Amino acid sequence: GAVVSQHPSRVICKSGTSVKIECRSLDFQATTMFWYRQFPKQSLMLMATSNEGSKATYEQGVEKDKFLINHASLTLSTLTVTSAHPEDSSFYICSAGRALAKNIQYFGAGTRLSVL
Amino acid sequence: GQQVMQIPQYQHVQEGEDFTTYCNSSTTLSNIQWYKQRPGGHPVFLIQLVKSGEVKKQKRLTFQFGEAKKNSSLHITATQTTDVGTYFCAHGNKLVFGAGTILRVKS
Repeated sequence: GAVVSQHPSRVICKSGTSVKIECRSLDFQATTMFWYRQFPKQSLMLMATSNEGSKATYEQGVEKDKFLINHASLTLSTLTVTSAHPEDSSFYICSAGRALAKNIQYFGAGTRLSVL
Repeated sequence: GQQVMQIPQYQHVQEGEDFTTYCNSSTTLSNIQWYKQRPGGHPVFLIQLVKSGEVKKQKRLTFQFGEAKKNSSLHITATQTTDVGTYFCAHGNKLVFGAGTILRVKS
């Protein structure tokens, strides 16, 4: 199956710092990638849709200035959590779909963010 | 996107017992997908159903899409410890996930 690489897998940072998470599609091009957030034992909540070459589309209630998304190429999307606070601690997961089967999403391994 | 209700939230079975999780929507779904997330891991695509009344099988897993395309189920026959994880249904072009069913298997 398609491979999506997400880095880093885990990050611990101090409150007030910014954290960048990368999501790469390794063997296919992805014009659209998705970013999710997952709390322990809960479902995945879609945060935003990352569109190559244009602005991301954010879901209701997600602060675009807080969660900066950049999709500079067909294989890379980044999520930057700016001025992180403890309540931002969570599991962040990206996904991407192939052009011919967009509905099927391949997920990165996720990034566990802990803000102290 | 339209939310889907997924039940049960949690199920603990003895190894060898069967397991079923259900997803229900109040509106017609264009498609439904199922994903499995192992503890500490990420969701992995299992299958997509698009046709009314569709039934698909993968070894011990049977997936169904209702005639009205408003509900779906995943059934595992004779569970094994490797089946442990959370099973999610999801639908739509921007995947909207159900709450998930956590499966624990006691050997």
